[in-house]
Amino acid sequence: EIVLTQSPATLSLSPGESATLSCRASQSITRFLGWYQQKPGQAPRLLIYDASNRATGIPARFSGSGSGTDFTLTISNLEPEDFAVYYCQQRGQWPLTFGGGTKVETK
Amino acid sequence: EVQLVESGGGLVQPGGSLRLSCAASEFTFSSFFMHWVRQAPGKGPVWVSRVSTDGSSAVYADSVKGRFTISRDNAKNTLYLQMNSLRAEDTAVYYCARGADSGANWFDPWGQGTLVTVSS
Repeated sequence: EIVLTQSPATLSLSPGESATLSCRASQSITRFLGWYQQKPGQAPRLLIYDASNRATGIPARFSGSGSGTDFTLTISNLEPEDFAVYYCQQRGQWPLTFGGGTKVETK
Repeated sequence: EVQLVESGGGLVQPGGSLRLSCAASEFTFSSFFMHWVRQAPGKGPVWVSRVSTDGSSAVYADSVKGRFTISRDNAKNTLYLQMNSLRAEDTAVYYCARGADSGANWFDPWGQGTLVTVSS
């Protein structure tokens, strides 16, 4: 099973700042990595798929990069609605797995 | 707008059974792979199972293999998860999710979830 390790666990930032979230895979998954956003009481929402492609309707301030085992989600110019928990997920190998999450909180 | 609405959750004793349903609307249900994903309170999501478009093929997480069965009724636009021999560690919110347009193993969108609590 591929283990995804996300860091940091919590990121404390102010609106307008940029957030850099990391996801490391236990083995290479080429570019088969996605990112989800989850707000309290809501289901997760797909943001990024295949490492760097934004899902439909996702603002351009969300960008993804990386390949192999190291991946990054960058959120530029944080908006108030961006404070949430972010999960990475891999589709490179069964079973599909998620990371433990990074909480982006208001400083 | 694509809609997925889960139902069937509740409180069940260890060793018991439960069947979850997910009613889909506003898209061609029979054209998409479908998944169940669960999330224990305060934890990250965990993928449970996927079923093919025609229901002929299914994949399961090891933790539920042999106990859970995913199925679908394309005439009714409904996805199911039959859960048997339930354990305390199965307690979670269960979400159904559509395989995304961008790839069958991305989850987009998700339903609102239904809570399953396994406890005596």
